[in-house]
Amino acid sequence: NAGVTQTPKFRVLKTGQSMTLLCAQDMNHEYMYWYRQDPGMGLRLIHYSVGEGTTAKGEVPDGYNVSRLKKQNFLLGLESAAPSQTSVYFCASTIGQGYRYEQYFGPGTRLTVT
Amino acid sequence: AQKITQTQPGMFVQEKEAVTLDCTYDTSDPSYGLFWYKQPSSGEMIFLIYQGSYDQQNATEGRYSLNFQKARKSANLVISASQLGDSAMYFCAMRENGLQGAQKLVFGQGTRLTINP
Repeated sequence: NAGVTQTPKFRVLKTGQSMTLLCAQDMNHEYMYWYRQDPGMGLRLIHYSVGEGTTAKGEVPDGYNVSRLKKQNFLLGLESAAPSQTSVYFCASTIGQGYRYEQYFGPGTRLTVT
Repeated sequence: AQKITQTQPGMFVQEKEAVTLDCTYDTSDPSYGLFWYKQPSSGEMIFLIYQGSYDQQNATEGRYSLNFQKARKSANLVISASQLGDSAMYFCAMRENGLQGAQKLVFGQGTRLTINP
């Protein structure tokens, strides 16, 4: 049982390049989330998904797109990377609607945009 | 909008002492939940403890307890008998209701705890 995994672990992009971050979970969780963490700050929600094919915007969605074609995978895309998107990206999942269910986090992807 | 405030950027504590990390929150929703996560230097997010707004008792998980004072809107984390391995960033987070039952988390800025031997 791997939990939540993220690919890649590190990436360096040049301004204007595109990339996709992959999040996978093997716990059959319905809900998945993408957060970003800037230096010295807490996590901020980018987008989230409530099931296959259904996504919604979080607090900081601009410059990102997401897709959830399979229940176990949640993709985060950057179409034209900017230096302001340099951050650590975390994916998380949770089983359902129960309020006290914790979110399980992946190990993070460190992205640098030059 | 919900808001989480952690006023202690850093704390230094002697090993084996108890430590309290402060968290205050602001919400108009009568139903809410508060989480504490630990982030060691390796970067992963580790769930510690949860408190629901309607829970009658303060939450406890091993050496972790939550001092929940609803009227003051505070949810402080108490770590008893601190250990060197407790050195990490600690984040307080509040659940915000999202689409179709999703629970969006709003995080504070964190407190860096250092345990001295």
